Amino acid sequence: DTEVTQTPKHLVMGMTNKKSLKCEQHMGHRAMYWYKQKAKKPPELMFVYSYEKLSINESVPSRFSPECPNSSLLNLHLHALQPEDSALYLCASSQAIQAPGANVLTFGAGSRLTVL
Amino acid sequence: GENVEQHPSTLSVQEGDSAVIKCTYSDSASNYFPWYKQELGKGPQLIIDIRSNVGEKKDQRIAVTLNKTAKHFSLHITETQPEDSAVYFCAGFSGSARQLTFGSGTQLTVLP
Repeated sequence: DTEVTQTPKHLVMGMTNKKSLKCEQHMGHRAMYWYKQKAKKPPELMFVYSYEKLSINESVPSRFSPECPNSSLLNLHLHALQPEDSALYLCASSQAIQAPGANVLTFGAGSRLTVL
Repeated sequence: GENVEQHPSTLSVQEGDSAVIKCTYSDSASNYFPWYKQELGKGPQLIIDIRSNVGEKKDQRIAVTLNKTAKHFSLHITETQPEDSAVYFCAGFSGSARQLTFGSGTQLTVLP
């Protein structure tokens, strides 16, 4: 299995809702990532988990809350979002975050979020 | 931190022609340079990558070249086909920053 699976594919939520994005990989990768991508822009790194511990938090607002329940799963909990948070949220994984040959990212298809 | 610049932002070629996309990077410690293809409605997909100890790598119609001295690397696609139409992102990985820095992307359109 060489895939990163993200659910849901599409999500529409109001600014007062609480929702979650989910990501799963079964490649034995120990690093997992959340990226945010706006239209016609490159992915922007949000969070990195290494061995289920938060390794990098790129100064993301607290209305985004990541969680890594185990080595295969990564969640992004959303609360009190703003319309400008509407974007494609991409999950990725790699063997590790810092090692020769280990930093090859595999991306999921993304979850397209619309905040009304 | 690392800064990756990518040119051109849009590129149109006739089917069968070659396409070249160029990137420059700023961090001399960067040692890994992947290229991703992103089709509409999909996540980025790795198409080829190169490490700093290699000058060129080829995979069928796709090749990447790296000039460490000049800090630039390029993607070459030969015999382009309509299905090559997509957005292409270059990236650089710095071990010190422990993360990829993406270029701004190139929208490639292959005209039939």
